[in-house]
Amino acid sequence: QVQLQESGPGLVKPSGTLSLTCAVSGGSISSSNWWSWIRQPPGKGLEWIGEIYHSGSTNYNPSLKSRVTISVDKSKNQFSLKLSSVTAADTAVYYCARKSPHYGSGSYYNVDDYWGQGTLVTVSS
Amino acid sequence: DIQMTQSPSSLSASVGDRVTITCRASQSISSYLNWYQQKPGKAPKLLIYAASSLQSGVPSRFSGSGSGTDFTLTISSLQPEDFATYYCQQSYSTPGGFTFGPGTKVDIK
Repeated sequence: QVQLQESGPGLVKPSGTLSLTCAVSGGSISSSNWWSWIRQPPGKGLEWIGEIYHSGSTNYNPSLKSRVTISVDKSKNQFSLKLSSVTAADTAVYYCARKSPHYGSGSYYNVDDYWGQGTLVTVSS
Repeated sequence: DIQMTQSPSSLSASVGDRVTITCRASQSISSYLNWYQQKPGKAPKLLIYAASSLQSGVPSRFSGSGSGTDFTLTISSLQPEDFATYYCQQSYSTPGGFTFGPGTKVDIK
């Protein structure tokens, strides 16, 4: 059973950099999966941040692309998120997830099937 | 970018009711549509992928349909554990990100 666990500071100062790590257990980060970050501001909906493959290939949300870096550490079986120049609008629960191929409707589809429990990051001075 | 909308934004229903939630994409996404259930304080849970494929372990009272721009999630007989918020997500377009719908909250009538 794959498990994901987010970790990192729960409080970040405005204009600072938010840094989170997602530790993967029960499976290898070098498997044929993408690894995602998604966030959810308090009381609001879900926003996809970006994803990384173990090769280092990344895709980012265009609205966040200039501030986001996602990286992978295969030796530690984990991946990380950095979000720079944060403001109060970046206050959210941050989730990491595994995106794996599932067969359906005659083709393979990559879907976020395993999620971490989420970690709240507050941006405040 | 592909925008997702959902209707209704909320609904009240009773145990045993048949519930239908609609999701619409701003352009065709073929069958690249997923449905998630989220309960307060918990991570989203995958219910349906590829518009109509049931994720392993999800009860058969959940079903999905649609393709192109219009999709539906149906709960055939609402159970107490189904009261939650439901999100659709398109997984068609990377450049714009895998956008989620705004969610539909299902609560007890």
